[in-house]
Amino acid sequence: EAGVAQSPRYKIIEKRQSVAFWCNPISGHATLYWYQQILGQGPKLLIQFQNNGVVDDSQLPKDRFSAERLKGVDSTLKIQPAKLEDSAVYLCASSLAPGFETQYFGPGTRLLVL
Amino acid sequence: GENVEQHPSTLSVQEGDSAVIKCTYSDSASNYFPWYKQELGKRPQLIIDIRSNVGEKKDQRIAVTLNKTAKHFSLHITETQPEDSAVYFCAASKASGTYKYIFGTGTRLKVLA
Repeated sequence: EAGVAQSPRYKIIEKRQSVAFWCNPISGHATLYWYQQILGQGPKLLIQFQNNGVVDDSQLPKDRFSAERLKGVDSTLKIQPAKLEDSAVYLCASSLAPGFETQYFGPGTRLLVL
Repeated sequence: GENVEQHPSTLSVQEGDSAVIKCTYSDSASNYFPWYKQELGKRPQLIIDIRSNVGEKKDQRIAVTLNKTAKHFSLHITETQPEDSAVYFCAASKASGTYKYIFGTGTRLKVLA
């Protein structure tokens, strides 16, 4: 089966600019996750969707980060305005549904904020 | 809050030797423990997982053990090969409705030929 797709793979922006990332989960997967992975650290959950509803966004910096999952399939994560500390890899993952614990990850988007 | 500690942060072994990575979790309600392998610039890939109703699981050269009482679980790789070199992450999750993962900080494994 096709895996989780993400784009772009790399992005370089100036601080205070905005940026958006896109994720297409595995077909049929109801749950979608966005993680932030800072160099040398484990992934940290930013937001979790169940279909098109938000299940957990407790660690999302809502003053600058936003995410949506229209129609319960693709998702976008936006940062506006970006800060230097937002430099990281943004990983998208999906799982079949609650009760199916395994998450499958996309290749990630590497963001560098200058 | 929820926390997963992972040790060591780096590990070097000779090819053919065994490697062991250990994780400790804080939330006793955690009941699912996956291990991911992440090669440089690539996506994390699930290599093995274990649920809290099982004490050990093995898949060829990889095994995971779980001690619920002590709240720790370990990854064991036997007969290591150069292609095992990567960063390994443990995670803990619980069936609380979100199934979110709490990841460890990662272990960089180097297998020396």
